[in-house]
Amino acid sequence: GAGVSQSPSNKVTEKGKDVELRCDPISGHTALYWYRQSLGQGLEFLIYFQGNSAPDKSGLPSDRFSAERTGGSVSTLTIQRTQQEDSAVYLCASSLETLSTNYGYTFGSGTRLTVV
Amino acid sequence: DAKTTQPNSMESNEEEPVHLPCNHSTISGTDYIHWYRQLPSQGPEYVIHGLTSNVNNRMASLAIAEDRKSSTLILHRATLRDAAVYYCILRPYSGAGSYQLTFGKGTKLSVIP
Repeated sequence: GAGVSQSPSNKVTEKGKDVELRCDPISGHTALYWYRQSLGQGLEFLIYFQGNSAPDKSGLPSDRFSAERTGGSVSTLTIQRTQQEDSAVYLCASSLETLSTNYGYTFGSGTRLTVV
Repeated sequence: DAKTTQPNSMESNEEEPVHLPCNHSTISGTDYIHWYRQLPSQGPEYVIHGLTSNVNNRMASLAIAEDRKSSTLILHRATLRDAAVYYCILRPYSGAGSYQLTFGKGTKLSVIP
């Protein structure tokens, strides 16, 4: 597609429920990233996928968070047993990056998650 | 980590040039200078990046000081659509962690009609 697509755009869930957030990167982009942005805060790195390499999960805040990327394309971020502090905008980005190149990211519009 | 310092906010009149400064006195020789902006209720948008030489693209120009300790993002004619938070970010050229963007608070640009 022309851009990075995220779904749903908004999600309201009850505390304790699991949620799945989806990201469709730009076709051909090998690198995919998840960030989150809490209200009034900066962006926080969560996880990075590059081709078939093992993902960098160093930014995931707890073991309730996980992500996968199937077939080098679509990615799903899963949050189990959601807590109120998980409320944020979850942003996905993709790029043509490799370890030896330096391109700009293209971000999606994000999923606004509200845990009530 | 190499860090950047930006003013919290700036104002510009519509159709006038805007110069957004960024200080990065601890920049290393392999750090690229990246700029992103974030419009209200949207994800960040890549603007421009450079290493040593000044760079131009359809969105903006990037002027990099000779000692690389500072840079300036230049919007040649501000429009209302340029009202956003502008982030100046240092990224290593390659290696572990080079893919992470570390966003600071940025500069909130207001454009006055």
